[in-house]
Amino acid sequence: SQQGEEDPQALSIQEGENATMNCSYKTSINNLQWYRQNSGRGLVHLILIRSNEREKHSGRLRVTLDTSKKSSSLLITASRAADTASYFCATDLFFSGGYNKLIFGAGTRLAVHP
Amino acid sequence: DGGITQSPKYLFRKEGQNVTLSCEQNLNHDAMYWYRQDPGQGLRLIYYSQIVNDFQKGDIAEGYSVSREKKESFPLTVTSAQKNPTAFYLCASSRSTGGLSQPQHFGDGTRLSIL
Repeated sequence: SQQGEEDPQALSIQEGENATMNCSYKTSINNLQWYRQNSGRGLVHLILIRSNEREKHSGRLRVTLDTSKKSSSLLITASRAADTASYFCATDLFFSGGYNKLIFGAGTRLAVHP
Repeated sequence: DGGITQSPKYLFRKEGQNVTLSCEQNLNHDAMYWYRQDPGQGLRLIYYSQIVNDFQKGDIAEGYSVSREKKESFPLTVTSAQKNPTAFYLCASSRSTGGLSQPQHFGDGTRLSIL
């Protein structure tokens, strides 16, 4: 079952512009993670935000989490052509033993044009 | 450098054939996972393993099997019972967390196609 849904499905911008991607989910979560996937490659972890956090930064990335609205956003500032990739949110549910099970959305395809 | 290695990068399966995808990690992670990714979609969990000699079915385990005989290795077999195996398969691992979630580290995937 798909928990997170990203919006928009695709985004095309010019270098230097900011890119904002949104993620909505349906049930209560423990944490939410964002990943990037370059074409034909594996996923790379970007940021983990815990359910008691509202905002987190990492370099040019800013993630917000609103648990009351069951939504998160990923902002990439001053985008570069190298940021071209698919971005996925993954909601984090625990199963027995304390290990996290991630449920991924379908992703946002970001294209940054020089 | 530590990481996850998946092989082969491309694999072709004939009708009625079982094929095995390799996944090796040197990150000393306890937990390992197999995902399937179809075009334009997110990842779906096939199997996961918390410790050696233990594994659990994920959301789409039918037609797949796994083993976890060593901490470093978590091979996935796509059996002939899997009627639609064409997909991109991703292996991942994470630390055991004692109740706190951790990022998952991914390999670069195996693309499986039908001959």
